[in-house]
Amino acid sequence: SQQGEEDPQALSIQEGENATMNCSYKTSINNLQWYRQNSGRGLVHLILIRSNEREKHSGRLRVTLDTSKKSSSLLITASRAADTASYFCAPWAGSNYKLTFGKGTLLTVNP
Amino acid sequence: EAGVVQSPRYKIIEKKQPVAFWCNPISGHNTLYWYLQNLGQGPELLIRYENEEAVDDSQLPKDRFSAERLKGVDSTLKIQPAELGDSAVYLCASSLGRGLGEQFFGPGTRLTVL
Repeated sequence: SQQGEEDPQALSIQEGENATMNCSYKTSINNLQWYRQNSGRGLVHLILIRSNEREKHSGRLRVTLDTSKKSSSLLITASRAADTASYFCAPWAGSNYKLTFGKGTLLTVNP
Repeated sequence: EAGVVQSPRYKIIEKKQPVAFWCNPISGHNTLYWYLQNLGQGPELLIRYENEEAVDDSQLPKDRFSAERLKGVDSTLKIQPAELGDSAVYLCASSLGRGLGEQFFGPGTRLTVL
């Protein structure tokens, strides 16, 4: 399956701390994408990392990709209460142009 | 630039009634997706359009669900008749061609079937 599986399912931290979420997948990919979903809202694309990239930064976000282990991690530094959301990884194989989402990691940042 | 627009945002109906959701994608995006999201789960693809053509509807329950994308822009997803288990959030997304896969999502329609 192309589906990504996020770990942990839930994470609770204090404001200012770093949050790390992991994603594992099973098939070869062209890229892997991370999305965020605030309570009751649609998904927002955060960052895309291509299969030939190992690390990518965007603001307070850092994504790593290890294709040999079929895994990725999303690090949010200096977290804020507004980062409270569900985070989904979505591997993209390209062959069927389909993103398959896992259950996500529910991040709670306490003020 | 306007994002993906969906309406209505909320809908409450009784079982066996019909319901329809509307989506207007980002201008110029020729690929449109409908997803279903149950509570505590990630979105699940129902159907994908390339322009007017439904190129992947393998997950669409065709006995009660139907969709159309006339003129390759706006799209409508219909359920008839609705069942209790259809209560969920229905998300629409669009992307610029097949691109790299990045999709832009609307706010969703929360359907409650009583």
